[in-house]
Amino acid sequence: SQTIHQWPATLVQPVGSPLSLECTVEGTSNPNLYWYRQAAGRGLQLLFYSVGIGQISSEVPQNLSASRPQDRQFILSSKKLLLSDSGFYLCAWTSGVANEKLFFGSGTQLSVL
Amino acid sequence: GNSVTQMEGPVTLSEEAFLTINCTYTATGYPSLFWYVQYPGEGLQLLLKATKADDKGSNKGFEATYRKETTSFHLEKGSVQVSDSAVYFCALSHSPVQGGSNYKLTFGKGTLLTVNP
Repeated sequence: SQTIHQWPATLVQPVGSPLSLECTVEGTSNPNLYWYRQAAGRGLQLLFYSVGIGQISSEVPQNLSASRPQDRQFILSSKKLLLSDSGFYLCAWTSGVANEKLFFGSGTQLSVL
Repeated sequence: GNSVTQMEGPVTLSEEAFLTINCTYTATGYPSLFWYVQYPGEGLQLLLKATKADDKGSNKGFEATYRKETTSFHLEKGSVQVSDSAVYFCALSHSPVQGGSNYKLTFGKGTLLTVNP
């Protein structure tokens, strides 16, 4: 069966520090991968999605970047965190079949202080 | 562009009460519609979905009908339980390229439901 792992679960970082959140998927190949952010009062916002290794689409201009070095690995990064980067970050995958559901990881609560 | 608007929360109900969470959408073409649920401290998981007009999605006693004429997908449950306390998200799927295999979900802001015993 397929599983998705996301870590760390919680992270407290000072402003200006770098960020690296990792997400891996098991039990499937060539998934579509997504990074979402859930900020208080703002719902769930799609940040990046990827349909293959090295292919990244950015949905909103921001202080973050994403990379997909391997088929089932998706990394969210920042060189210098801002206060506004605080939020709950969710990784998700789908097989790419039209209208199939997303499978979400358990999320990372990031607090930038 | 595509968007989802769902009723603002929080919603607080007593056990066995009737639940309605309104959701309306704006989209081009024929999107699929979803309800996701997020239990405390967890990621999101699919609750139900409908892929075309007049379809009814159902799961765990929850139902929602895809109404194209009113662009709505309201979530309902006849008798809620304490264990239904969670955040509920309405979402629609759309592909940036017609017929493409990569597609995205646009989510509403979420509605917090608290059910008291």
